[in-house]
Amino acid sequence: AQTVTQSQPEMSVQEAETVTLSCTYDTSESDYYLFWYKQPPSRQMILVIRQEAYKQQNATENRFSVNFQKAAKSFSLKISDSQLGDAAMYFCAYTGAGSYQLTFGKGTKLSVIP
Amino acid sequence: EADIYQTPRYLVIGTGKKITLECSQTMGHDKMYWYQQDPGMELHLIHYSYGVNSTEKGDLSSESTVSRIRTEHFPLTLESARPSHTSQYLCASSAIAGWETGELFFGEGSRLTVL
Repeated sequence: AQTVTQSQPEMSVQEAETVTLSCTYDTSESDYYLFWYKQPPSRQMILVIRQEAYKQQNATENRFSVNFQKAAKSFSLKISDSQLGDAAMYFCAYTGAGSYQLTFGKGTKLSVIP
Repeated sequence: EADIYQTPRYLVIGTGKKITLECSQTMGHDKMYWYQQDPGMELHLIHYSYGVNSTEKGDLSSESTVSRIRTEHFPLTLESARPSHTSQYLCASSAIAGWETGELFFGEGSRLTVL
């Protein structure tokens, strides 16, 4: 079974600084997708960024980028120029190609300090 | 914001009561899901549906049941609530090609407390 591990229950970052959230996963599949989701307090969870395993290039979405290390099964999220609105729970998630079910990590609570 | 709605947002109820958590989406998505989320814990899939009249149990065993009579509606029912059912329940949906975009659309959640 696939597992997703987020080893940092809580992180904090100064506004305008950069922070990296860690995620590792375990799978025997060769084709899969990885995601970072953001869950603000009392708000809907939304997709931040996704990565296809067959793509070597790291995904980037504005201030959010990932460092995808397939051999190490590592998928970290970097948030640049952190803003107060970035404060939220961040969940790393995995799905195998052809599967319609996501496996989530336990989440990292990110605080942004003004 | 995503067009998926959950009611009630918060519910406090006594043991033994029957409850239904409502979930509706206006995006025409075929796939819908219920996740259970405890504080500081990952989301666990408890039910999913790939279309009308299709329902399956997820990887976390749950005493709840679901139905999918209409594409847009995916309610979750607990026949007899117990304190162990206290949790947050998240509803989500995705299009057929959801994994090509990687996007699940989530509701705001229903936080259930059973006394």
